[in-house]
Amino acid sequence: QQPVQSPQAVILREGEDAVINCSSSKALYSVHWYRQKHGEAPVFLMILLKGGEQKGHDKISASFNEKKQQSSLYLTASQLSYSGTYFCGTVFSGGYQKVTFGTGTKLQVIP
Amino acid sequence: EAQVTQNPRYLITVTGKKLTVTCSQNMNHEYMSWYRQDPGLGLRQIYYSMNVEVTDKGDVPEGYKVSRKEKRNFPLILESPSPNQTSLYFCASGMQGAYGYTFGSGTRLTVV
Repeated sequence: QQPVQSPQAVILREGEDAVINCSSSKALYSVHWYRQKHGEAPVFLMILLKGGEQKGHDKISASFNEKKQQSSLYLTASQLSYSGTYFCGTVFSGGYQKVTFGTGTKLQVIP
Repeated sequence: EAQVTQNPRYLITVTGKKLTVTCSQNMNHEYMSWYRQDPGLGLRQIYYSMNVEVTDKGDVPEGYKVSRKEKRNFPLILESPSPNQTSLYFCASGMQGAYGYTFGSGTRLTVV
């Protein structure tokens, strides 16, 4: 089952913050986050493992709540370069190989 | 340069004509996978491979075949393409363990 991402799309002005959520109906082992710019391949941002950890990557961070089977991606003080489609990818067991991606959240940052 | 190379980038073909999309990685990754991307549906996994001669079905394997005879190569074969296989295809590779994937540049396939 594909994880559900919300919102489906969001428009921000430079400097604003955003949160993208990823929910699963099955127990999660880990969550991947990727960003895809228009016409390009997805690029890996970070991976979160069981344990409710939070990770950071410049002004982009993420949390993982295994009890709620959810992960959230936080973008703070957004920049134009943050524009793109964000995908979460979920792993349902200890196998790191089978990653099931959500349908994506399209983020547009405007001046 | 560490990369995943897919060929061709663009392909237009006719229904029923067998085709192969190649994927090669130079990072010695054990894991390789194929995804298709369609508007509104995100990335859906077709097949994946955990090592040479070890492959398994993803979520949408019907109409596709793969093989992993060498660690670096993971070709996607469409024996009898149909119009519903028109899509953007991505190959990805990664190390065993909790690491992210590296994606190829994509192959845009049109079946008429």
